[in-house]
Amino acid sequence: RKEVEQDPGPFNVPEGATVAFNCTYSNSASQSFFWYRQDCRKEPKLLMSVYSSGNEDGRFTAQLNRASQYISLLIRDSKLSDSATYLCAVNIRTGSARQLTFGSGTQLTVLP
Amino acid sequence: NAGVTQTPKFQVLKTGQSMTLQCAQDMNHEYMSWYRQDPGMGLRLIHYSVGAGITDQGEVPNGYNVSRSTTEDFPLRLLSAAPSQTSVYFCASSYSNPSGGRDTQYFGPGTRLTVL
Repeated sequence: RKEVEQDPGPFNVPEGATVAFNCTYSNSASQSFFWYRQDCRKEPKLLMSVYSSGNEDGRFTAQLNRASQYISLLIRDSKLSDSATYLCAVNIRTGSARQLTFGSGTQLTVLP
Repeated sequence: NAGVTQTPKFQVLKTGQSMTLQCAQDMNHEYMSWYRQDPGMGLRLIHYSVGAGITDQGEVPNGYNVSRSTTEDFPLRLLSAAPSQTSVYFCASSYSNPSGGRDTQYFGPGTRLTVL
């Protein structure tokens, strides 16, 4: 079982729709959680960190459910420019230190 | 600031050849890392460094070497290329270990490597 799992999609939604992605993680000791955005054939960029109480940045809301070990990303009022792959990342012990472990990404296409 | 730069952007190798992927950052970041990204696999950590002279293995280190002689540079060496190393390679840097959540990790534009 992968340590971080995401539904690969693709999610195809009309402009203005609300869409949500989930990401599950297997290590209950994980402490930090993030969402990254990756445009086609480009490098990943940090979208937002995920805090225990949930957090919002404009149209984006991130939530953490420690009991069920998943994080979620909600995008409201989708724009064409939101089309990208969304990667979740969780800190998991790898060797001698904790490192970021990424999910395989969820592809989103916002349609006009 | 140029941020994180990587060269080359594209590379084709034959099985058994060796090469070095270059990575440099001008943000005075202590922490640097190399990832590979394959379809359906996400980003996987190859090696990382917490400062000049210090490197450690990540999740998938076999077949790769790294060194960190300066804060700015973190080259990745493929010792004897294999088709299984066909991938997109990303270098990244941050002030400290990004898994701690205090510092943002910045990625370079990537190197697309094909091994025939």
